[in-house]
Amino acid sequence: GENVEQHPSTLSVQEGDSAVIKCTYSDSASNYFPWYKQELGKRPQLIIDIRSNVGEKKDQRIAVTLNKTAKHFSLHITETQPEDSAVYFCAAARGNEKLTFGTGTRLTIIP
Amino acid sequence: NAGVTQTPKFQVLKTGQSMTLQCAQDMNHNSMYWYRQDPGMGLRLIYYSASEGTTDKGEVPNGYNVSRLNKREFSLRLESAAPSQTSVYFCASRRGTGGPGELFFGEGSRLTVL
Repeated sequence: GENVEQHPSTLSVQEGDSAVIKCTYSDSASNYFPWYKQELGKRPQLIIDIRSNVGEKKDQRIAVTLNKTAKHFSLHITETQPEDSAVYFCAAARGNEKLTFGTGTRLTIIP
Repeated sequence: NAGVTQTPKFQVLKTGQSMTLQCAQDMNHNSMYWYRQDPGMGLRLIYYSASEGTTDKGEVPNGYNVSRLNKREFSLRLESAAPSQTSVYFCASRRGTGGPGELFFGEGSRLTVL
């Protein structure tokens, strides 16, 4: 089955700086890569996703890049703000099939 | 729309007791899932139901059973709870057709087994 590895497990950045979280996946047939944000005590919520037919997708301050050859994808958050502090999960799936999640990255924004 | 609703939100059990976590979604989604979340382990899939009438094992199914009661409801049962099942449980649903789509989560159920 699919295996998703996520790094780093914790990340602290100064407010205004950029944050990058990286994930690798094992199943070359995976073609859907979402990112979820989970604030403390809350449910995970989708923030951005990318499909394997594109290499990059942006939504305001967040972007995701995908390298199918290397089987890795990354989340980039620019101009970080205190409300970006949360746990971020990457995931991978073949289409509609079940998602396999990474182990999460706890991002702390230092004011 | 309430989205995904799961109950109870908190539960304390003694080892060997049984309980059922209930989940319902009002988005007419085909697929439903049960995940458990443990520190440092991410979200691990217990069981899922790709469509009404079907259920399949995920990564960590041992000690659990599920029932897809109808299209809206998907319950998770612990027959004989163990301390290793102390966790936060999330139910989730997804459209399941027409290409990949967002997974919507419930608020979570925190279970402690003593």
